[in-house]
Parts: sequence; C-alpha cells; structure tokens
Amino acid sequence: GAGVSQSPSNKVTEKGKDVELRCDPISGHTALYWYRQRLGQGLEFLIYFQGNSAPDKSGLPSDRFSAERTGESVSTLTIQRTQQEDSAVYLCASSFPTGVYGYTFGSGTRLTVV
Amino acid sequence: DQQVKQNSPSLSVQEGRISILNCDYTNSMFDYFLWYKKYPAEGPTFLISISSIKDKNEDGRFTVFLNKSAKHLSLHIVPSQPGDSAVYFCAASVQGAQKLVFGQGTRLTINP
Repeated sequence: GAGVSQSPSNKVTEKGKDVELRCDPISGHTALYWYRQRLGQGLEFLIYFQGNSAPDKSGLPSDRFSAERTGESVSTLTIQRTQQEDSAVYLCASSFPTGVYGYTFGSGTRLTVV
Repeated sequence: DQQVKQNSPSLSVQEGRISILNCDYTNSMFDYFLWYKKYPAEGPTFLISISSIKDKNEDGRFTVFLNKSAKHLSLHIVPSQPGDSAVYFCAASVQGAQKLVFGQGTRLTINP
C-alpha cells in the first residue's frame, strides 16, 4: 500500500483481556517501529525491528507487551492481561534502513481498556 | 525523566503572523532534531529537521533554529496559515540509535 496501515483503528477491551494490534508497513521499508501516546503525553518508543529481528525492545513497559514481525512485512503488537494504564494510541512507523530520517507513521490504534 | 520538553501545551496565533514553537532538551548526546505535525486521527508527519552541526535550517515557511549551548530549539512558521493548526511535536535522536525521543507536543491554533 501507499502508506502505513494499522488495524483496528479503535479497540475497546475489558481489563484483563489480551489484544493484538496490527501494522502493515510501506513495501520495501525494512525498519519498523512501535510507539504509544498516552493522553496529554508525547510519543513513547516501544520497539524497533530491522527485518524480523528486534535490536531494540528497550521501550516495552512490561513483560505483558510483546511484538513480532514476519520478514519485512506485517508486525503484531500483543498486550496480555490489559490494564487501564495501557489505554493509549499505539502508533506504528516504517522506514528504509536510514532510520530516524525517514519515518512514515500510520494513523494509529486507539486502545481503551475499561 | 523527560529528555525532550515542550513547555507550552498550546499556542494561539493570528493568521499571517509568526508562530514560534519551542522545545528544550537535556541529553547532550542528541545530535539530530526533528519536528512533526499531527492532525486529529492521523499519524504524525515529518515537517523539518536539523543536524547538530547546524544552527538553522529553512524550508519554505518553516525554519528550525538550534541553540546547542542552551539545549533549545524552535520552529518558526511565517506566515501562519489556518492549515497549520495542528499538534507539533519536537523529537531528538542520538547518532546510531534508531529511536526518537519526543516532546509532549504543542497544539497550535491559527485564528482567521
């Protein structure tokens, strides 16, 4: 596709349930990033993929969070046993290996944990 | 520890005037700085960037200034237009790192 696609765009889940968020990067972009934005705050880095390996997962807030990527394509961010503090907009971005100079963000998934 | 700070949550400017958005950082290892613009329900889009070897970068109506001694950067928009109304984020990176550190954002409103 022409841009970074994220699904679902909105997700409401009950506390304690697991959720999966999906990101389809721009074709040819080998680097993929997950960020989240909690209300009134800036974007927080979660994890970075180069191909299907994750050289930097330092931003994952707890072991309830995990992510994987299939080759140089789709990535899935999984949050297990969701908590209310997980409510945020989860943003995915992709780029060529040049990295920070050329991010393209998706529109995000708004996750609400009730 | 908030390494990148945008201390003004909001700014209102009259159309045609200059908009100045400010950003401060604490990590002296940052060597590349970016500004992103975000409309509601959309992802941030890249606006302009500056390397730490420069103190100014200009692109059309947008100019970014970097003051390394003060650890401060600013984005100037001249003249401001209604379509500039959005949330603006500054971001910074350390050479070799793939991640960006973002500020909290400033909501800019351009009034007709």
